[in-house]
Amino acid sequence: AQSVAQPEDQVNVAEGNPLTVKCTYSVSGNPYLFWYVQYPNRGLQFLLKYITGDNLVKGSYGFEAEFNKSQTSFHLKKPSALVSDSALYFCAVRDAGGKLIFGQGTELSVKP
Amino acid sequence: EAGVTQFPSHSVIEKGQTVTLRCDPISGHDNLYWYRRVMGKEIKFLLHFVKESKQDESGMPNNRFLAERTGGTYSTLKVQPAELEDSGVYFCASSPYRGAYNEQFFGPGTRLTVL
Repeated sequence: AQSVAQPEDQVNVAEGNPLTVKCTYSVSGNPYLFWYVQYPNRGLQFLLKYITGDNLVKGSYGFEAEFNKSQTSFHLKKPSALVSDSALYFCAVRDAGGKLIFGQGTELSVKP
Repeated sequence: EAGVTQFPSHSVIEKGQTVTLRCDPISGHDNLYWYRRVMGKEIKFLLHFVKESKQDESGMPNNRFLAERTGGTYSTLKVQPAELEDSGVYFCASSPYRGAYNEQFFGPGTRLTVL
């Protein structure tokens, strides 16, 4: 069965510092991976996806993610965090039928 | 272009009552998905429509949940009778039929509280 794990419930970062939100996956076959963000009282917004090709994927709001097949990871990164990046982040893998399988979510808190 | 909309945004009902959630996908999107996040846990899949047909309903928890998508446009998710464990946030998402690896566009969710 396919699964996604986000090992950290919460990540705290100072504004201006780099941030990483971790995600590991377990799939049979090629993984199709996604990151979504949920701001307070809002729906999930798509950030970026990995389907094939370059292992470094660039997305919205300056975020990027690195696909690592040997470590089965798809960590979300940003070189310089903003207070406005504070939100709930979800990693997901798409299964063969099209549905998304989500991780538990990671609460990112960026302090000034 | 209007995004995915959901109604109501919040619903508070008593155990045993009936609630109907509505989702309007992005116009032209054939794929419509329902998901649920319970008690701060992971978001879990409920079911998937392609146009008006149920493609996958493997995530529906039990027969108290009924989803419809008449005419292949908006969808409703009815919970009857509601139980305490049904409380959570119900998300709807849509995506175009073509482009199997397109991202899904999510609505703002309906927060359901069963007392």
